[in-house]
Amino acid sequence: NAGVMQNPRHLVRRRGQEARLRCSPMKGHSHVYWYRQLPEEGLKFMVYLQKENIIDESGMPKERFSAEFPKEGPSILRIQQVVRGDSAAYFCASSRGTQASNQPQHFGDGTRLSIL
Amino acid sequence: GESVGLHLPTLSVQEGDNSIINCAYSNSASDYFIWYKQESGKGPQFIIDIRSNMDKRQGQRVTVLLNKTVKHLSLQIAATQPGDSAVYFCAENNRYNTDKLIFGTGTRLQVFP
Repeated sequence: NAGVMQNPRHLVRRRGQEARLRCSPMKGHSHVYWYRQLPEEGLKFMVYLQKENIIDESGMPKERFSAEFPKEGPSILRIQQVVRGDSAAYFCASSRGTQASNQPQHFGDGTRLSIL
Repeated sequence: GESVGLHLPTLSVQEGDNSIINCAYSNSASDYFIWYKQESGKGPQFIIDIRSNMDKRQGQRVTVLLNKTVKHLSLQIAATQPGDSAVYFCAENNRYNTDKLIFGTGTRLQVFP
């Protein structure tokens, strides 16, 4: 059973360009979460999605960032007009259900975004 | 506000010894805790979880202890091996918080032969 798949593993963009990060959850998982990690720090929650619905986007910057989890295909985290401060590792996690039902989140290996 | 923190940023142990990694949390509403292991260049790997209605849970070579009175969580690794070298994070969640996890800053475990 494949784990959470993220691509690309590394992404380099120039300031002002767009970055699109993709995440395919584990088979059977319908809950997707995006987190951001700076070097030597813990992960910071960004957004929680279920199929075609954003459940909690309280960690998303108000501008330039968006996320979707369509009925078909991977979840996408999109960053428009990237700036140097967007450089980070972005991790996706998925779960079969909610944590209230004892379903932990399982993480992919992340996308390292570098802004030139 | 909510926060999860760790007491020791780096822990060095001899191979074969037991390791104890500690974590403090501040939100008394937290009711679900997870320990993750993160190796360099990889994503966090689930180790073990515990709910607030328990004070101890055991896995293979790992034990998590929860003390709700002092809001403290620990991860014990028995017979630590070189492959255990990584950064360890505790994360918490509470029933009022959707399903987002709040992570601490991490403890680096170094295992020496």
